[in-house]
Amino acid sequence: AQKITQTQPGMFVQEKEAVTLDCTYDTSDPSYGLFWYKQPSSGEMIFLIYQGSYDQQNATEGRYSLNFQKARKSANLVISASQLGDSAMYFCAMRGETGGGNKLTFGTGTQLKVEL
Amino acid sequence: DAGITQSPRHKVTETGTPVTLRCHQTENHRYMYWYRQDPGHGLRLIHYSYGVKDTDKGEVSDGYSVSRSKTEDFLLTLESATSSQTSVYFCAISESTEQPQHFGDGTRLSIL
Repeated sequence: AQKITQTQPGMFVQEKEAVTLDCTYDTSDPSYGLFWYKQPSSGEMIFLIYQGSYDQQNATEGRYSLNFQKARKSANLVISASQLGDSAMYFCAMRGETGGGNKLTFGTGTQLKVEL
Repeated sequence: DAGITQSPRHKVTETGTPVTLRCHQTENHRYMYWYRQDPGHGLRLIHYSYGVKDTDKGEVSDGYSVSRSKTEDFLLTLESATSSQTSVYFCAISESTEQPQHFGDGTRLSIL
């Protein structure tokens, strides 16, 4: 069975600083994908970034980058130059090949608060 | 933004009543999903669809059924709602198994 672990229930960061949100995963699938989503207080789920298990380079999308360490089974999200609007809940999720259908398994989330 | 509309956005109902939530997409994506979000659990998959009339169970499917009679609509039904089904329900769509899922705005369901 697939499992996603996010060990930081809450994080604080000062504006303009970088922050790393941790995500570790467990799967027996040789091919899988890792996703990060942002959920602001308004409730919608916003896709941020994707990393495939066979991708040679770490994914980047603007201020977001994914620190993918396959041997350690970690896929940490790095947000550079934090902004007040980054305050939100962040979810790590994994897509495995077993059973197909692009089903996602989510972690329990990390609540990020950006402070002045 | 992906064209996904969930209805209703909020609903309060009583235990034992049937409830149907609707997800409508304008993207013509093949895959559609229903998740529930509860404190401390993140999002959990209830059911998903990989085409018209093609559906399968997810992690927490007990007490729920789904139907997809056309590409754009995916219905989630609680045949006899229970208080444990009080939750926020999200619909998601994806074009293929390699593409990310995009989510609707959610339905807040309270069962008293």
